[in-house]
This record gives sequence, structure tokens and C-alpha cells, in this order.
Amino acid sequence: ILNVEQSPQSLHVQEGDSTNFTCSFPSSNFYALHWYRWETAKSPEALFVMTLNGDEKKKGRISATLNTKEGYSYLYIKGSQPEDSATYLCAFSDGGYQKVTFGTGTKLQVIP
Amino acid sequence: NAGVMQNPRHLVRRRGQEARLRCSPMKGHSHVYWYRQLPEEGLKFMVYLQKENIIDESGMPKERFSAEFPKEGPSILRIQQVVRGDSAAYFCASSPASRGGRETQYFGPGTRLLVL
Repeated sequence: ILNVEQSPQSLHVQEGDSTNFTCSFPSSNFYALHWYRWETAKSPEALFVMTLNGDEKKKGRISATLNTKEGYSYLYIKGSQPEDSATYLCAFSDGGYQKVTFGTGTKLQVIP
Repeated sequence: NAGVMQNPRHLVRRRGQEARLRCSPMKGHSHVYWYRQLPEEGLKFMVYLQKENIIDESGMPKERFSAEFPKEGPSILRIQQVVRGDSAAYFCASSPASRGGRETQYFGPGTRLLVL
């Protein structure tokens, strides 16, 4: 059983604040790390897939970094907006096989 | 290009009845995954299928649950003799074949099952 942990479990930030949260995963047998955004009453939507140590990905105000040697990834949101309110999931793959293991998510609420 | 479709969106069953959940993957996708989200919990992997093959069912309860992905038609998750503990949201995702664990999964809207 793979242990994929996310922290914090939830957080509230004021509109305009920047924030970040963490995904921890096993550092051995790394293959890929995915980030998804899951808005209430909708389906999870892919943000990034990261495959190389030191990878940095960016999409608008959201960016992510990856450290495979120590087994963590950070997701950053710059200048949070109310529409960023969602649960952010990471998912880890340890091989070419397509199954991934999801973390329990970080629930972000941005207060106007 | 239509996304992943699931139906029904909501399903109510009484204890002991059968529940059938359907998932039509995105066009061109040959891999289907089923996940369960219990109240206050995250997404838990249940089963991974390719056309006519179950690749990994390690997350599926050994009894009462089965899944299939026939050559034609949607993937079906079947729960026999439902119990209250089966009440959950069931999500289906699909992906194309090419990149293994690096492939993005595209999720459907989910089926909310309520067992009375």
C-alpha cells in the first residue's frame, strides 16, 4: 500500500493572499506525480503531471515543484481568488503501470 | 469531444437490491478506472480495466462487487445485495493507452449511490 499524504487537510485564506500546500509520497520507485483540482459538485480536473526531479510547472497563478529524492511536491497559488476554492489532490505513480494512488486532498477556501 | 459520462448521476437502492453504475469513457480512451469516495474520505481506487480485461481489481471488495468493460458499450460497476455501507460517490475515469502512470485521467461526474 502506497502512502500519499497531503497537508494541510484544509485551509482558509483571504482573497489576494498566496498559499501553498504539500504532497508527500514514497521516494523510491518514483514514476509520476499528478495534481488535480476538484471543485464541489464537479469532477476532478487535471492540473499538472510531473515526471522529473526538479520539475516546475505553471498554469496561470498556480505552479508546482517536485522533489523526487525527498518525496514531496508543493503546489503554490499566487494571489488567491474565490474561484480557486476547491480540493487539490495529488496522485502518485510508482511505475509504468497506469494505476495511481491519490492523497486525501487539501481543501482550500478563499474568503472574499 | 464529449467527456467521460456516467449514469445514473443519483441512484437510490434498498438494502439487498442490486446497483448498476455505467461509465462511457472519452472517445479514443481504452482504459477505465473506478474510484469510490466515502463520506469525508478521499478517492479510493477500486478497479482498472481495459477493453474486455480486468487489469487490477485490488481495491475492490471481494464479495458483491464486480466490474466489466465489454468490447462494445460502457463499463459497468455492479454491486449486488447492497448494504448501507455501500452509500458513496462512485467516480469513473478514463485515459488513453500511451504513457502508463504518466497519463492524465479524465473523470466523469460521478454516481451518488444511497442505500436505504
